[in-house]
Amino acid sequence: DGGITQSPKYLFRKEGQNVTLSCEQNLNHDAMYWYRQDPGQGLRLIYYSQIVNDFQKGDIAEGYSVSREKKESFPLTVTSAQKNPTAFYLCASSVTWGAPGELFFGEGSRLTVL
Amino acid sequence: AQSVTQLDSQVPVFEEAPVELRCNYSSSVSVYLFWYVQYPNQGLQLLLKYLSGSTLVKGINGFEAEFNKSQTSFHLRKPSVHISDTAEYFCAVSDEIQGAQKLVFGQGTRLTINP
Repeated sequence: DGGITQSPKYLFRKEGQNVTLSCEQNLNHDAMYWYRQDPGQGLRLIYYSQIVNDFQKGDIAEGYSVSREKKESFPLTVTSAQKNPTAFYLCASSVTWGAPGELFFGEGSRLTVL
Repeated sequence: AQSVTQLDSQVPVFEEAPVELRCNYSSSVSVYLFWYVQYPNQGLQLLLKYLSGSTLVKGINGFEAEFNKSQTSFHLRKPSVHISDTAEYFCAVSDEIQGAQKLVFGQGTRLTINP
């Protein structure tokens, strides 16, 4: 089945540690996205990528980094510079034409900083 | 920049009752509007979208929404809800028809269906 796989589903981190969240898609989509979800705040865009080896900052990129070395993979690193990293992280993908607004989401990764 | 306001953070209703989830967006020359649903501990799934044409849009699971340009609203409705509709619903807006779809999401409305 085609879809988006995020791992791990749950992750605990000590303060000061970097952590990398995995996102893999087999939908052959060009664009991929990372959103952060906090209760009562909806989803906020962290980074997005339209093509391999290219990505842009979203609204809340500080303290995060990404890479896009392969079309199907878009890992997110939460660095120690992120002051409040505890959140639910969602990865998504889409085509870049023909289906506006139709993002396909993974099931999310819940990060808790201890 | 685009923005979306969902007017209710929580909406409790009884099973088989009608429901309306409210959404207002910031005005723009061109705007594309969406409703997504999120079931517990899952990602989001597209319910319906308005791009152009008829202002009444029908989606999956019996939901529909009406685009009202003069009131800058895009409210979601269902005439009779079921227990399985319990979820969080997000309104979203975009001003881009091609390229990366950088949606701006509202804060979400948690719909709870009581038997």
